[in-house]
Amino acid sequence: RKEVEQDPGPFNVPEGATVAFNCTYSNSASQSFFWYRQDCRKEPKLLMSVYSSGNEDGRFTAQLNRASQYISLLIRDSKLSDSATYLCVVNADYGGATNKLIFGTGTLLAVQP
Amino acid sequence: ETGVTQTPRHLVMGMTNKKSLKCEQHLGHNAMYWYKQSAKKPLELMFVYNFKEQTENNSVPSRFSPECPNSSHLFLHLHTLQPEDSALYLCASSQDLRLTASYEQYFGPGTRLTVT
Repeated sequence: RKEVEQDPGPFNVPEGATVAFNCTYSNSASQSFFWYRQDCRKEPKLLMSVYSSGNEDGRFTAQLNRASQYISLLIRDSKLSDSATYLCVVNADYGGATNKLIFGTGTLLAVQP
Repeated sequence: ETGVTQTPRHLVMGMTNKKSLKCEQHLGHNAMYWYKQSAKKPLELMFVYNFKEQTENNSVPSRFSPECPNSSHLFLHLHTLQPEDSALYLCASSQDLRLTASYEQYFGPGTRLTVT
């Protein structure tokens, strides 16, 4: 089983639509969770951290379900500029000197005009 | 310059060549990382350095040799690579190794490597 699993998509949605991505992780000891955004041929950039109580940043809402070990990202009122790959990232402390970031393969979102 | 920079941005090399990738961070961070991103695969952590000391080698073949002379600079020396090593190589830095919600990891733009 992959450590972090995502539906690769693509998700093709019209402008203004609401779209949701889910992600599951295998290590129940995972402590911190993130969504990164990666534009085509660019580097990943942090979109938002995911907190246990859920959190919102403008049109973006992230949720964490520890019991089921899944994370979600909801994008409302999609814009053309939201087109990118969204990476689910989990920080799992394996008891060593490093907290490692484990990346999913990403979900590709294409917002259509 | 600001952030994390990487040179070269693109590199084509033969299997017998020796080349080096360079990364520099201008953020005052203490931890630096090398990742490999291949098509259709998740980012793979290769090496981690904290205060110039290597803390992680994620079972990377010896044809990849990292070097960290100081907290701001990180190199990846390449020799006798294979075609399957073609990928995007990303450098990243963070304040330290905690990598929690308060300590973001910043990525450089990457070096797109093609091994012929």
